[in-house]
Amino acid sequence: GAVVSQHPSWVICKSGTSVKIECRSLDFQATTMFWYRQFPKQSLMLMATSNEGSKATYEQGVEKDKFLINHASLTLSTLTVTSAHPEDSSFYICSATRQAKAEAFFGQGTRLTVV
Amino acid sequence: DAKTTQPPSMDCAEGRAANLPCNHSTISGNEYVYWYRQIHSQGPQYIIHGLKNNETNEMASLIITEDRKSSTLILPHATLRDTAVYYCIAAFSGNTGKLIFGQGTTLQVKP
Repeated sequence: GAVVSQHPSWVICKSGTSVKIECRSLDFQATTMFWYRQFPKQSLMLMATSNEGSKATYEQGVEKDKFLINHASLTLSTLTVTSAHPEDSSFYICSATRQAKAEAFFGQGTRLTVV
Repeated sequence: DAKTTQPPSMDCAEGRAANLPCNHSTISGNEYVYWYRQIHSQGPQYIIHGLKNNETNEMASLIITEDRKSSTLILPHATLRDTAVYYCIAAFSGNTGKLIFGQGTTLQVKP
């Protein structure tokens, strides 16, 4: 199957700093990628849809100024958590589809801990 | 997207078939049923999907009722590595990347 890779797998940062998470499609081009967040013992929650060459579309309740998404190429989307706070500590996961009607492939996730 | 309902947890003996049910009574005619699973602390993994007909691949079988209001994912010979949270999701064919996850079913395969 297609491979989607995230980097880093885990990160610890100080409160008030910003953290960038990368999501790459390794063997296909993805015009659209998706970002999810998962708190402990909860399900995945869709945060935003990342569109190559245009602005991301955010789900209701997700602060676009706090979670900056950039999709500058067909194989890379980045999520930057700005001015991180302990409540932003979570598991962040990205996904992409090879084609518009195909199944989604997920990255391995990034564990963010804000101290 | 149609809401899906799954039992919160199930147990299965290793080597036996695991049958995971999903209710999607409000599914529309052009919504597919997708199954993903998430092993602890990893990203979800695609398993199988279907529209009306039953489907089988190397991982599992998907049985969809004729009225499409429910489906069952079958893992024919469960192993300990199949212990995971299994998610049943209804998604339109042109929007298969934007997935709304429910709580899923935690499957515990026991030796």
